[in-house]
Amino acid sequence: SQQGEEDPQALSIQEGENATMNCSYKTSINNLQWYRQNSGRGLVHLILIRSNEREKHSGRLRVTLDTSKKSSSLLITASRAADTASYFCATDTGRRALTFGSGTRLQVQP
Amino acid sequence: EAGVAQSPRYKIIEKRQSVAFWCNPISGHATLYWYQQILGQGPKLLIQFQNNGVVDDSQLPKDRFSAERLKGVDSTLKIQPAKLEDSAVYLCASSSRQGVTEAFFGQGTRLTVV
Repeated sequence: SQQGEEDPQALSIQEGENATMNCSYKTSINNLQWYRQNSGRGLVHLILIRSNEREKHSGRLRVTLDTSKKSSSLLITASRAADTASYFCATDTGRRALTFGSGTRLQVQP
Repeated sequence: EAGVAQSPRYKIIEKRQSVAFWCNPISGHATLYWYQQILGQGPKLLIQFQNNGVVDDSQLPKDRFSAERLKGVDSTLKIQPAKLEDSAVYLCASSSRQGVTEAFFGQGTRLTVV
């Protein structure tokens, strides 16, 4: 079963704009991770945020986590055409392998 | 460091045939996962190994799917007999230990069952 659900399912923006995607999950977690998947490729780890953290930055990425609402958001600032990909959140409960959401398909128009 | 290697990249078979996928994880990674990703969906765990032991195979359709990890390194996933709904990308991933660390994915094997 899917633990996380991303919103929106698809997002189209212009180069230079910011992209925000959200993830909701159902059970308590140890950490939440975001992955990127380019078309026809495997997933690449972007960032991990632990359950006791509220915000984390990595380059143009900003992730927030609200454990009371069981939700997370990923913000990509100053987007580039190369950011076009599907983005997945994955939850780590410490009891089983990562459980992935259904993903947000991001299209960045040059 | 070399990444997770998978082969083949693509496979087309007829329904009721059998197929096998191979995965070589990152050297030293004790945990290995097989995920199934149907088009437009997120990856779904099929089986997780810790060294050569199975940790979780609760979502593996055991009547047709089997997997093994000999000597705690390489792994193979087999489907016999294949059904049309098995058409998907099969992703192998590894991590250095179960739990917190990130998972490293291979490029996947795209299976089409006709």
